[in-house]
Amino acid sequence: EADIYQTPRYLVIGTGKKITLECSQTMGHDKMYWYQQDPGMELHLIHYSYGVNSTEKGDLSSESTVSRIRTEHFPLTLESARPSHTSQYLCASSVGYGQPQHFGDGTRLSIL
Amino acid sequence: AQSVTQPDIHITVSEGASLELRCNYSYGATPYLFWYVQSPGQGLQLLLKYFSGDTLVQGIKGFEAEFKRSQSSFNLRKPSVHWSDAAEYFCAVGDNDMRFGAGTRLTVKP
Repeated sequence: EADIYQTPRYLVIGTGKKITLECSQTMGHDKMYWYQQDPGMELHLIHYSYGVNSTEKGDLSSESTVSRIRTEHFPLTLESARPSHTSQYLCASSVGYGQPQHFGDGTRLSIL
Repeated sequence: AQSVTQPDIHITVSEGASLELRCNYSYGATPYLFWYVQSPGQGLQLLLKYFSGDTLVQGIKGFEAEFKRSQSSFNLRKPSVHWSDAAEYFCAVGDNDMRFGAGTRLTVKP
């Protein structure tokens, strides 16, 4: 069963739109992550959070922003979508240092 | 800097045959190592993890992996592959942050 939920699962939208990808977890994990995944490539970390009011940028330069107002919720926002944002976005959470990450089923985003 | 290399992009095995997926890592200390599996349209599911102790670790779905410090490797194995094992497999290393390999896609022939 999924303890971490991502919505929408699929989104096709035009260039210039503002998009918010939702991620919620019910496990009470402090750490949450957003990854971008493209075929044949390693997962790229774009944002992470170590707890409420904590957000950091990852390795991959991204035009997105995140917020962490509640432990269980970690939404990702694109202010103005571009075709280069077309990808799969995976959200994950972890209980702490050295512990495995739990993943949602992802949002597949296509920008026309 | 930590990194992970999965040398095989795509592997095809026959159902019932044995499987070994390779993973090499670079890490400055004793690594935390993981194998994940991803089926189409889904997120990553943890197969197994290594933190310390016994270098042969058992996971779910009949998978196991062996940590070899001298070779900086953490290869995943299964004695007999089932058609349902067809998926993408990711090796990862990390502590606070995790580095993932590019994945190995497994195809299972009937």
